Amino acid sequence: EVQLLESGGGLVQPGGSLRLSCAASGFIFSSYAMSWVRQAPGKGLEWVSAITASGGTTNHADSVKGRFTISRDNSRNTLFLQMNSLTAEDTAVYYCAKVMDTSGGYRPFGDWGQGTLVTVSS
Amino acid sequence: QSVLTQPPSVSGAPGQRVTISCTGSSSNIGAGYDVHWYQQLPGTAPKLLIYDNTNRPSGVPDRFSGSKSGTLASLAISGLQAEDEADYYCQSSDSSLRSRVFGGGTKLTVL
Repeated sequence: EVQLLESGGGLVQPGGSLRLSCAASGFIFSSYAMSWVRQAPGKGLEWVSAITASGGTTNHADSVKGRFTISRDNSRNTLFLQMNSLTAEDTAVYYCAKVMDTSGGYRPFGDWGQGTLVTVSS
Repeated sequence: QSVLTQPPSVSGAPGQRVTISCTGSSSNIGAGYDVHWYQQLPGTAPKLLIYDNTNRPSGVPDRFSGSKSGTLASLAISGLQAEDEADYYCQSSDSSLRSRVFGGGTKLTVL
């Protein structure tokens, strides 16, 4: 059974930093591209960042480019999101998401974690 | 403002059929990118409902179906049940943004 367990969320002041982690199990982590998707309170889903299976290629939404960095450690089956220069607009539940297959391209998200809440406030 | 446009809400009585539209443009749905649909029950993570426009993952009832034509995709739910009350999101990819994009979401109310 696929399991994705996010951690690292919490309350942070504007301008601060936070590092999210997503511990994966139940599948061959190094074979699947991964993403972070966020959802502001009462709002819709927003794709944030993606990384290929090998970690060699990353992509970020314009709203976080230059501030957020996605990475992975395939030896530890863990996905990361380093978030810097946080603003109130970054307040959201952050989900770790696994693509449904390894066929490449923009595959849909077949599995999601339960999410971790990030609150940016003074 | 989402790249993909969905109606904010739809409703229907138990047993009825409802459809949720997802309107894109020539840089996403109209460019041939596949559309996927997710169901988000209250307080839970999203769940993949339809992938590659028309396909259902195993375990998803055949009451749920998807279609795509031009710049428009649709999700149809037949034989509405109370448990279908949720938020539904379409998702595709955009060549201009070079990223995945979501619709704004549609809240389904079962009357």
